[in-house]
Amino acid sequence: AQSVAQPEDQVNVAEGNPLTVKCTYSVSGNPYLFWYVQYPNRGLQFLLKYITGDNLVKGSYGFEAEFNKSQTSFHLKKPSALVSDSALYFCAVRETGGFKTIFGAGTRLFVKA
Amino acid sequence: EPEVTQTPSHQVTQMGQEVILRCVPISNHLYFYWYRQILGQKVEFLVSFYNNEISEKSEIFDDQFSVERPDGSNFTLKIRSTKLEDSAMYFCASRGPVGSEAFFGQGTRLTVV
Repeated sequence: AQSVAQPEDQVNVAEGNPLTVKCTYSVSGNPYLFWYVQYPNRGLQFLLKYITGDNLVKGSYGFEAEFNKSQTSFHLKKPSALVSDSALYFCAVRETGGFKTIFGAGTRLFVKA
Repeated sequence: EPEVTQTPSHQVTQMGQEVILRCVPISNHLYFYWYRQILGQKVEFLVSFYNNEISEKSEIFDDQFSVERPDGSNFTLKIRSTKLEDSAMYFCASRGPVGSEAFFGQGTRLTVV
């Protein structure tokens, strides 16, 4: 069975500083990995994904994530945080060939001006 | 840009009543999903639908729930006899072929009173 862990309920960072939101996963085969962002009272917006190839993937709004197979991690990063990045971030995984995408519990990011 | 649309945005119903939540997935997508989110917390998988049948479902998706794709465009979730604990935000999602990300609608907030 697949699962996703986001070990931090909340991450606080100052505007202009780099940010990292952590994610680890467990699947029986090769994973498809995703990051989504949710703003209040909105749906989930896709940020980026890892399917295969280069371990560093770049996505929307300057976000990137690094796939690390040995550590089964897929941490989300951004070199310089903006106040507008404050939101709820979800890591998600789907097994290759699988139907369902499973989400982590979410990490709330607060960026302080 | 194509999007997943959900109606209604908010539904209030009395306990024991039946509700139908409606979704129009992105037109060329093949895989369809329902998720729920309680109080802005974890996004929980309910069911996946492919090739006109349920491909996978969670423990939450019991006999009170059903899904249907009555025509070429709509995808519905029916809850036969609502309980107070069914109160949540329900998200519909769809995706294209293998490796693609899921696109989410804006959700239907279901309140059972």
